[in-house]
Amino acid sequence: DQQVKQNSPSLSVQEGRISILNCDYTNSMFDYFLWYKKYPAEGPTFLISISSIKDKNEDGRFTVFLNKSAKHLSLHIVPSQPGDSAVYFCAATRYGGSQGNLIFGKGTKLSVKP
Amino acid sequence: NAGVMQNPRHLVRRRGQEARLRCSPMKGHSHVYWYRQLPEEGLKFMVYLQKENIIDESGMPKERFSAEFPKEGPSILRIQQVVRGDSAAYFCASSPSRAPRGYGYTFGSGTRLTVV
Repeated sequence: DQQVKQNSPSLSVQEGRISILNCDYTNSMFDYFLWYKKYPAEGPTFLISISSIKDKNEDGRFTVFLNKSAKHLSLHIVPSQPGDSAVYFCAATRYGGSQGNLIFGKGTKLSVKP
Repeated sequence: NAGVMQNPRHLVRRRGQEARLRCSPMKGHSHVYWYRQLPEEGLKFMVYLQKENIIDESGMPKERFSAEFPKEGPSILRIQQVVRGDSAAYFCASSPSRAPRGYGYTFGSGTRLTVV
């Protein structure tokens, strides 16, 4: 039962353009959403989070948009850089869930071409 | 400025052996979380511990897996009688005692377990 879905296994983007990574979820009890970036042979690195009561959060080149009615969120990276090439995971926490219990999607591999 | 430290980075075990994975949290962090990532999958929560206490083990397989976080020393994830299906990357994260909602947990680099 995949509660957090990242339907695109991979995405290729030209350097300098926008990267849009998508995530859908099924559980209406999720209260926070987080994005992580992961390089091969390393652990995930936190990028940005958003509360379910907001529809947008921005941090530098990274912006996350949340559409609660559609149960959809997206991460925008502008402008994309070759160093952004990594696997991006969408994760969620459930209202009432224990601390640290994140529910992850399967990830989207982003390739940014010079 | 050490982050979350996990060792070993790679571990090879024969079927039936025991695997011990260690995790030292970031300085000042007292809570530890273990995750498992199977090939081509996302990370799956296993267990949440604070010193000498298991807080949430809802993601732990019922048999062969155990975790502890003693008063002194690292947290240990133990897998007894390993099987091929245990081959995965195991990640540990840590946080201060009260992590706010939406907190960006810091993960270690993981231990890659291969069962042959």
